[in-house]
Amino acid sequence: QVQLQESGPGLVKPSGTLSLTCAVSGASISSGNWWSWVRQPPGKGLEWIGEISQSGNTIYNPSLKSRVTISEDKSKNQFSLKMTSVTAADTAVYYCASSITGVGTFDHWGQGTLVTVSS
Amino acid sequence: QPVLTQPPSVSAAPRQRVTIACSGSSSNIGNNAINWYQQLPGKAPKLLIYYNDLLPSGVSDRFSGSKSGTSASLAISGLQSEDEADYYCATWDASLNCWVFGGGTKLTVL
Repeated sequence: QVQLQESGPGLVKPSGTLSLTCAVSGASISSGNWWSWVRQPPGKGLEWIGEISQSGNTIYNPSLKSRVTISEDKSKNQFSLKMTSVTAADTAVYYCASSITGVGTFDHWGQGTLVTVSS
Repeated sequence: QPVLTQPPSVSAAPRQRVTIACSGSSSNIGNNAINWYQQLPGKAPKLLIYYNDLLPSGVSDRFSGSKSGTSASLAISGLQSEDEADYYCATWDASLNCWVFGGGTKLTVL
């Protein structure tokens, strides 16, 4: 079955860059699907960050677009998130998700990884 | 403020039926399919309903979804204690050009 696993530093300094990777198994990121990042601040709701298609096209949340880059590494079957100029407001659990059932279905999720922005 | 509006909390007794509403506008729910997610405490969200009323494989048929105009709802029948969770609606917003989630509804089984 499809599995996603996030990895990356759990602590990032203010004004620094947050970098996370999502390793995918059970499906190929080269197939006709979208691969997304979603975050959840502690005790709050879900926020879509952006996504990348199998052809490398990207769409970002307008509120984060200036600071976010999503890229892919087909050779490793993984995709990544970079977020620059982070502040405490970016402290959240970051999830990667796939939309295989259909566009925007977010049908498989990683377990999530907590990233804390603090000096 | 989330683009999609959900009640912060709902509650009902075991074996009862509960509905969770999600309200939006013509730029989102009114012209796009809606999906629902269940998030158990400390866990990742799980797709519960997609394209308004379709159940993914393995999801109990106690869950059902519907949409009318710029609103949607999730219904859970035969409530069980394991249904206690946060529930989120989500859809595409054509004005914002991004996927949007509701603020989430916490379901308590009394």
